[in-house]
Amino acid sequence: AQSVTQPDIHITVSEGASLELRCNYSYGATPYLFWYVQSPGQGLQLLLKYFSGDTLVQGIKGFEAEFKRSQSSFNLRKPSVHWSDAAEYFCAVGAGVQGAQKLVFGQGTRLTINP
Amino acid sequence: ETGVTQSPTHLIKTRGQQVTLRCSSQSGHNTVSWYQQALGQGPQFIFQYYREEENGRGNFPPRFSGLQFPNYSSELNVNALELDDSALYLCASSLKGGLTDTQYFGPGTRLTVL
Repeated sequence: AQSVTQPDIHITVSEGASLELRCNYSYGATPYLFWYVQSPGQGLQLLLKYFSGDTLVQGIKGFEAEFKRSQSSFNLRKPSVHWSDAAEYFCAVGAGVQGAQKLVFGQGTRLTINP
Repeated sequence: ETGVTQSPTHLIKTRGQQVTLRCSSQSGHNTVSWYQQALGQGPQFIFQYYREEENGRGNFPPRFSGLQFPNYSSELNVNALELDDSALYLCASSLKGGLTDTQYFGPGTRLTVL
């Protein structure tokens, strides 16, 4: 069965510092991978996605992620965080079910930014 | 372009009651998916509708049911509410529902069951 693990429940970084959020997945076939961000009271916004090709993908708001098949990982990075990046971040893998596409999400990582 | 909208924003029900949540898909999208997000958890897939037919379902009991209308808006119905049904319910629309399609999420409906 497909699964996603985000090992860090909560991360705190200082504004301007670099950020890396970890994501490990379990999926038998070629994974379709996504990172979403959820601000308080908001729905999920897509940051970036990986289907194939270049293993380093660029997203919105200055985020990037690197797909590493050998490590079953898809970590999210940002060189310099801003206070507005404080939110909950979810990694997800796309999986087929009875002809539909479902997203299997990790538990999420809550990001706090220190001024 | 109008995004995905959901109503109501918040809802309080008592155990045993029934509830209907509504979703309007993004313009041009014919697929809608529903997810349940319990507090402190990631969203879990309930089911997906494509052109008014359910075409995939997660591990949720039959008391969770849905509808998709010709204009591709959708409803999630939950019967015989239980305390554990308290959660944020998210609706997501996509163009065709394929594995590479991006799902666009609405802001959610917060359901509290007392």
